[in-house]
Formats: sequence, structure tokens, C-alpha cells
Amino acid sequence: DADVTQTPRNRITKTGKRIMLECSQTKGHDRMYWYRQDPGLGLRLIYYSFDVKDINKGEISDGYSVSRQAQAKFSLSLESAIPNQTALYFCATSDHKTSGGARETQYFGPGTRLLVL
Amino acid sequence: DQQVKQNSPSLSVQEGRISILNCDYTNSMFDYFLWYKKYPAEGPTFLISISSIKDKNEDGRFTVFLNKSAKHLSLHIVPSQPGDSAVYFCAASARYGGSQGNLIFGKGTKLSVKP
Repeated sequence: DADVTQTPRNRITKTGKRIMLECSQTKGHDRMYWYRQDPGLGLRLIYYSFDVKDINKGEISDGYSVSRQAQAKFSLSLESAIPNQTALYFCATSDHKTSGGARETQYFGPGTRLLVL
Repeated sequence: DQQVKQNSPSLSVQEGRISILNCDYTNSMFDYFLWYKKYPAEGPTFLISISSIKDKNEDGRFTVFLNKSAKHLSLHIVPSQPGDSAVYFCAASARYGGSQGNLIFGKGTKLSVKP
């Protein structure tokens, strides 16, 4: 079974609709992230959470909100979807309790492809 | 302003030859660098990393070189295999400086390895 899962994998919605993308992880990591990928723009950070009570805005948080329901679950909401939010969305996790001087490595889910009409 | 730059959107290499993917950065606070590989319809997967205290890290066919004075790193794949065909992302993080260690990604380079 995958360590980081995302649902749905594909979603088509209409402008103005509210949608939620969900992420679950079985890695036991404390940190979770939401990114979007657009063609030619790489990965950009939307929101991140270092634990259940800690939520932070990333580079492009406008138009998005998040909820960390549990250590293993981190959901991303688009309150009123617009066409320029059409993108590939990735959830990622990391464990800050690394040892031996190693730094955090982020592990990504398979992505959700969102199309806003 | 882009802090991590991958100036080559694509690279084509013959099977068995060396693939060299390049990455430049502008933020001198970056002290940890990673390469991720992404296949279509999948999430990025971690490939290799390097700390700024080193100038080289090797893992099998993959070697990352870091030139701090030039703010440049490169990923070498030797020998290249058709299964290496993917998009490669360079990422950087800074332990200090207010970014809380978050990763900053480049735009990616699409590698095609031809049989």
C-alpha cells in the first residue's frame, strides 16, 4: 500500500464550486505539505503544517484553505474554484526527527489532477 | 524572482551515455539540495541529496556535484537507461533564514534517454 495517498485522483468541477482534496499518510510523519504543479512552473507550496496545531501559508495560499484533522490527514479546500486553479496538486510529508545530521526529505503522494471549467 | 533555476527544459541522451542535469540557485542561505524524479501520472520521488558541507554525493549510477562558489549543482547519471526518462526537479532548502526548511523547487528538466 502507498505511504501517501490522495483522493480523488482526478476531479472536474465548475467555477464557483467548493471542493476538497484529501491526503492521508501512513508514514507517521509529523509534517505535511500541499503543492501545485503547473506546466513550466515546477512545484509551488500552497500550505504546510508542522503538526496538528500548526498551519502555515506557503508561496501561493490565496484562494485555498487547509485542515489538519489528525497527524495522518491534511486536506486542501478550494472555497470557490476558478479556472486558473486548474493544476496538478500534490501532498507531501516529512519527518523532522531525522538523525545523523540528515535533513528532511519530503515524500509525495501520486497527485490529484483538477480541472475547473 | 526564481531562487532555483533549471535552465534546460529538456535533454535528450543516448542510452549508455552520461546525462548531466544542471541547477543554479541564488539564495546563499540554501544549505541542502535534493533531486527528485517524476514520471507521468505519479508524484515526485526522492532521488539523491547533498549537504552544503560536501561537494559530491554518489548513489549507484547517480552522482550530485555541488559548487558553492558558483551556486551550481549538477546531477550525473551514468550510464543512462531508457527507464531514466522522466522529469527531474532540483530543490533547495535553508535551515536558517525564515523559510523553516521548506523546499524551493526548480521548474524541472525533462530527460529523454533514447535506446
